[in-house]
Amino acid sequence: GAGVSQSPRYKVAKRGQDVALRCDPISGHVSLFWYQQALGQGPEFLTYFQNEAQLDKSGLPSDRFFAERPEGSVSTLKIQRTQQEDSAVYLCASSRQQGNTEAFFGQGTRLTVV
Amino acid sequence: GESVGLHLPTLSVQEGDNSIINCAYSNSASDYFIWYKQESGKGPQFIIDIRSNMDKRQGQRVTVLLNKTVKHLSLQIAATQPGDSAVYFCAENRRMGYGNKLVFGAGTILRVKS
Repeated sequence: GAGVSQSPRYKVAKRGQDVALRCDPISGHVSLFWYQQALGQGPEFLTYFQNEAQLDKSGLPSDRFFAERPEGSVSTLKIQRTQQEDSAVYLCASSRQQGNTEAFFGQGTRLTVV
Repeated sequence: GESVGLHLPTLSVQEGDNSIINCAYSNSASDYFIWYKQESGKGPQFIIDIRSNMDKRQGQRVTVLLNKTVKHLSLQIAATQPGDSAVYFCAENRRMGYGNKLVFGAGTILRVKS
């Protein structure tokens, strides 16, 4: 596609519900990042994939957060048993190659946990 | 800890004036920095970047200055326009064993008055 696509754009979840957020990176991009952006804050790194390999998951806040990229293209960020503090915008970014400097961001998924 | 931060959370400028947004970083090993613009409801958009072997880089209406001695960089926007209103983030491209990841500051809100 022309850019990084994320779905859904908005998600309202009841506390305790599981959610899955999808990211379609730019075709052919090797690197894929997930970020969490709280209101009024900068994006915070969650996890990084190089193709299908998850090389860094140091930013995932708890074991309720899980990300995968099984075929090295589309990625899914799953949050189990959502809590109110999970409310944020979840951003996905991709870049053409490992260590490439410019990452292109999607529009994000705004998650609200009620 | 290591961080990237901003001096001014909000900047209001008159249309046509020049804008200067500042950023401090603490990781002296960082060798690459990026400025992103984020409009409401959108993901961060790349504006300009600079490597540590440079102290100035110019783009279209934008200039980034890097002072490694005091670990400071700035974004200058010439002839600021209403469309420049957004949140601006500096990001440090931090080298990891597998590649790199972006570490963002908290952001500066730029408001352009007509």
